Amino acid sequence: GAGVSQTPSNKVTEKGKYVELRCDPISGHTALYWYRQSLGQGPEFLIYFQGTGAADDSGLPNDRFFAVRPEGSVSTLKIQRTERGDSAVYLCASSLTGQGTPSTHNEQFFGPGTRLTVL
Amino acid sequence: DAKTTQPNSMESNEEEPVHLPCNHSTISGTDYIHWYRQLPSQGPEYVIHGLTSNVNNRMASLAIAEDRKSSTLILHRATLRDAAVYYCILRDVDSGAGSYQLTFGKGTKLSVIP
Repeated sequence: GAGVSQTPSNKVTEKGKYVELRCDPISGHTALYWYRQSLGQGPEFLIYFQGTGAADDSGLPNDRFFAVRPEGSVSTLKIQRTERGDSAVYLCASSLTGQGTPSTHNEQFFGPGTRLTVL
Repeated sequence: DAKTTQPNSMESNEEEPVHLPCNHSTISGTDYIHWYRQLPSQGPEYVIHGLTSNVNNRMASLAIAEDRKSSTLILHRATLRDAAVYYCILRDVDSGAGSYQLTFGKGTKLSVIP
């Protein structure tokens, strides 16, 4: 079946511009996560959605970052007034459920990521 | 949060077994040990997880020390496709955020030599 897809695969923008990154999770997955990965580092958690609501947005670095998931499926990560330090690969993951004892139900499936470059 | 320590890099010959170590000396009783791997230019993918007992699946085996302060991911026959960064991650099912948030370190970069 189809996995997690992310668009665009690459985005180049100028400092100060606004960008939107899209994530299409696996159909039927209620939990959705955004992570950010800088060069040479492991992914860092940004935000977790359970259904339409953001259950935990503690990883968002500042108020320039915002994410939505209005119908409990597709999610959009929005970054305002981009800075060069925002350059990274933004990864989206989904799982059938969220919290709880690890099982195939909350195993996270990742998309290929969006590489954001801020010039 | 309980942390993990892994070697930065390892090498293996193709078709040889690979043992990837992970130290987690401050692990708590409710921490599950997870392994994910990230192939070049891809997102991470789940490999295996366990709590106390050794685990096997189609991808790998996970050997957990009796005191749970360390674990080893075992690839029985490395292939070129196994070249990736391998992450050892602890998930605390009793901690709200810890039960769903994956906290990645830098992982071990595995190179497979043909």
